[in-house]
Amino acid sequence: DTAVSQTPKYLVTQMGNDKSIKCEQNLGHDTMYWYKQDSKKFLKIMFSYNNKELIINETVPNRFSPKSPDKAHLNLHINSLELGDSAVYFCASSQRRPRGQGGEQYFGPGTRLTVT
Amino acid sequence: TQLLEQSPQFLSIQEGENLTVYCNSSSVFSSLQWYRQEPGEGPVLLVTVVTGGEVKKLKRLTFQFGDARKDSSLHITAAQPGDTGLYLCAALNFAGNMLTFGGGTRLMVKP
Repeated sequence: DTAVSQTPKYLVTQMGNDKSIKCEQNLGHDTMYWYKQDSKKFLKIMFSYNNKELIINETVPNRFSPKSPDKAHLNLHINSLELGDSAVYFCASSQRRPRGQGGEQYFGPGTRLTVT
Repeated sequence: TQLLEQSPQFLSIQEGENLTVYCNSSSVFSSLQWYRQEPGEGPVLLVTVVTGGEVKKLKRLTFQFGDARKDSSLHITAAQPGDTGLYLCAALNFAGNMLTFGGGTRLMVKP
């Protein structure tokens, strides 16, 4: 059984289009994340949701809008796609623990977005 | 400037050699995690270190957390081709809600 799943795996689209990436976790975790990994493999957090509430928004353009319909899902919608949006987007989940403990994150397989 | 600096960025060695990857920061963290990522997949957690000076072993991998909880190292003994991948360190903030990743170390072990 897949713990964190993302769809689609690959997404090729033209500049200016709007697209969505879906993420689901079946681990019962209360926190979900979206990361962007660039061509140099640098992994940077974009958003974090805890119990469907946005808790982290790391200087991401307004064109990116996450939505969490429930604790098990966190989708990412991107408007007016730009060339610089090309990257691999990873969804992850974790269970929030007392400070200093755990916080281990489980990642999905990634969605490779190519904007032409 | 990255919050977490990993070195080296690239490492190509022969099977059987030993290697060490470093993860350094000027900040103190709640805990530090090491992940391994293979091409086309997401990062997979290897270990979490929490206590300053802590050493954890996972078969041929040894992880150490610095006494001041600002740095960490990953040592691999007798590397094998299956160890090839991208190794990422990640630091957890004290609120426990944010992981900051290092730039990664790309390891290639040649048979």
